[in-house]
Amino acid sequence: EIVMTQSPATLSVSPGERATLSCRASQSVSSNLAWYQQKPGQAPRFLIYGASTRATGIPARFSGSGSGTEFTLTISSLQSEDFAVYYCQQYNNWPPTFGQGTKVEIK
Amino acid sequence: EVQLVESGGGLVKPGGSLRLSCAASGFIFSNAWMSWVRQAPGKGLEWVGRIKSKADDGATGYAAPVEGRFTISRDDSKNTLYLQMNSLKTEDTAVYYCATGHVTHGYLFDYWGQGTLVTVSS
Repeated sequence: EIVMTQSPATLSVSPGERATLSCRASQSVSSNLAWYQQKPGQAPRFLIYGASTRATGIPARFSGSGSGTEFTLTISSLQSEDFAVYYCQQYNNWPPTFGQGTKVEIK
Repeated sequence: EVQLVESGGGLVKPGGSLRLSCAASGFIFSNAWMSWVRQAPGKGLEWVGRIKSKADDGATGYAAPVEGRFTISRDDSKNTLYLQMNSLKTEDTAVYYCATGHVTHGYLFDYWGQGTLVTVSS
């Protein structure tokens, strides 16, 4: 199965600053890469698919890029509600697999 | 509005069984591929298995750690998804989420329930 590796494990950012999260696949997943946001005690929230397409209702400050094995989620100006754990997931190969998550915390 | 509500979680002994349910509303359930995804305490997300829509043959597929022990089924007349878990192990302890497959790809999860906690312990 494809292993997804996210970095860093924790990212400390001040409100209003930019956050850049990375996700690497152990083999090419083309553009079949999604991002999810999860806050404590809540279910994951669907953010981005196709590596760069925002899901319905997701603010424009969230953007995704990359293809093949290297992907990036950028949050252009962090709002208080954006502090959470972010997961990438590949759906190019069976079984679908998730990264271990990046926690974005308040600096 | 799409709603997914899981139920059936609880405490069970190793080797025991449990059946989870996921009641769906706000979309055409019979057309949807549905998955179960779990999250062990303090850990990341792990896909458990999925069931296709009947129009797409209704086939099931499972992750290796649960293959042969877990069974996913659906009752489209009740808009309900099920996860039958047998021969439970301590490592199955997790919050179990049901999730809908996105219209563009069945393994892309656009809506999630709030989850139900399964604890396997003696």
